[in-house]
Amino acid sequence: EDQVTQSPEALRLQEGESSSLNCSYTVSGLRGLFWYRQDPGKGPEFLFTLYSAGEEKEKERLKATLTKKESFLHITAPKPEDSATYLCAAVESGANNLFFGTGTRLTVIP
Amino acid sequence: DTAVSQTPKYLVTQMGNDKSIKCEQNLGHDTMYWYKQDSKKFLKIMFSYNNKELIINETVPNRFSPKSPDKAHLNLHINSLELGDSAVYFCASSQAGRGTEAFFGQGTRLTVV
Repeated sequence: EDQVTQSPEALRLQEGESSSLNCSYTVSGLRGLFWYRQDPGKGPEFLFTLYSAGEEKEKERLKATLTKKESFLHITAPKPEDSATYLCAAVESGANNLFFGTGTRLTVIP
Repeated sequence: DTAVSQTPKYLVTQMGNDKSIKCEQNLGHDTMYWYKQDSKKFLKIMFSYNNKELIINETVPNRFSPKSPDKAHLNLHINSLELGDSAVYFCASSQAGRGTEAFFGQGTRLTVV
C-alpha cells in the first residue's frame, strides 16, 4: 500500500537556524515527488517536483533532495515568513493524483 | 487572474441537506481533482476527472458525486450531508503526464451542524 510519512510533525526554529524536513515514501513506482507549502486558510502552493534519486532543486532558502526512499526539504537561514505547513506528496506510476503525507508544521521565531 | 477558483469559501448547513461546491480552472488543464482535508490537516484524494473519464475513489461514499459540464469545471455535489462530512474540500487541476504540478483552489470549509 502506498504510504508517505513526514517528520517531524512540528518544528520550531529560531530565525537563521537551518534545519531539514523529512519525507519517507513507499509507492508502486514513483512518477514524481512533490513539495507544497500551505498557509492557514489557503490551498497548497506548489514548490518543487523531483523525479529521480539524486535530483536536487532550489528556490530561495529552500532546497529539496530525493533518494530512492525519502526526500528532504532543507531550509537555510529561515525567516518568519517561511512559517507554514510543508506537505510532501508522491505520484505513483500510471497515476496523476497526489498521495500526501500529513505535513510538517514549521514555525520560525524572530 | 485566479487559476483555480472555488465557491463558496465557507458553507454551513444542516444534516440531511444537499449542497454543491463549484470549481473552475482557467489554466487549460485536462485533469481536475477533489481533495478532502480533515481536521488533522491530512489531504486525501476523492476524485480525479480527466477529460471525460471519471476515476472514483472507492472510499468515498456514493453521496458524493462530481459533475463536470466541461473541461474547465468540476463541481462536487453532496447528498444527505452528515456531521462527518465537515472538512475543507480542495479543488485542483493539472495537465496529465509527467512533470506537471497540481494547482489548488483556496478551499471550501464545509461545516455540517
